[in-house]
Amino acid sequence: QVQLVESGGGLVKPGGSLRLSCAASGFTFSDYYMNWIRQVPGKGLEWIVYISSSGGTIYYADSVKGRFTISRDNARNSLYLQMIGLRAEDTAVYYCAREKTIAARPLIDYWGQGTLVTVSS
Amino acid sequence: DIQMTQSLSSLSASVGDRVTITCRASQSISTYLNWYQQKPGKAPKLLIYGASNLQSGAPSRFSGSGSGTDFTLTISSLQPEDFATYYCQQSYSSPITFGQGTRLEIK
Repeated sequence: QVQLVESGGGLVKPGGSLRLSCAASGFTFSDYYMNWIRQVPGKGLEWIVYISSSGGTIYYADSVKGRFTISRDNARNSLYLQMIGLRAEDTAVYYCAREKTIAARPLIDYWGQGTLVTVSS
Repeated sequence: DIQMTQSLSSLSASVGDRVTITCRASQSISTYLNWYQQKPGKAPKLLIYGASNLQSGAPSRFSGSGSGTDFTLTISSLQPEDFATYYCQQSYSSPITFGQGTRLEIK
């Protein structure tokens, strides 16, 4: 079965950095686009970035552009999110999510359990 | 960006009730509308995609309808495990965007 397991969250000071990882299993990782989506505790969902199956196409939300970098290692079935210049408003649970294509449009069909990032002094 | 609006942030209902949750898009999104269920402390789970297609494994008491800008998620007979927060999400154009969620509570 599809499994996505995030790690790397924690407490970091404003301006600090953190690298999140997502280990994928149960499917052919290299066939799928992947996304990071975040959720402020008790609030709604915000998509922040996707990466194509090969890694050749990447698209960021304006809120993280220039500070966050997504990457993937298809040989290791892993997705990453490097975050620098962290701000209090980046505090959230970060989900790794698989995307498939239905009728030429993206569909997020599986999510990991999330990892909490807290930005606070 | 396309704005998704769920008119009710919370809704109270009883086991066995028929419940409808609504979602509106700021512009036409055809039927590129998906519904997710999220329980406390858990990841969202896909219920309905393409406005009306039931995701494999989702109970048949869930159904979706709508096109253009107005959509509904219906639960035909509420079960105890259905008390959760429901999010709509558009996949018509990038960036994908979510509604703010409707929390379904026990009356």
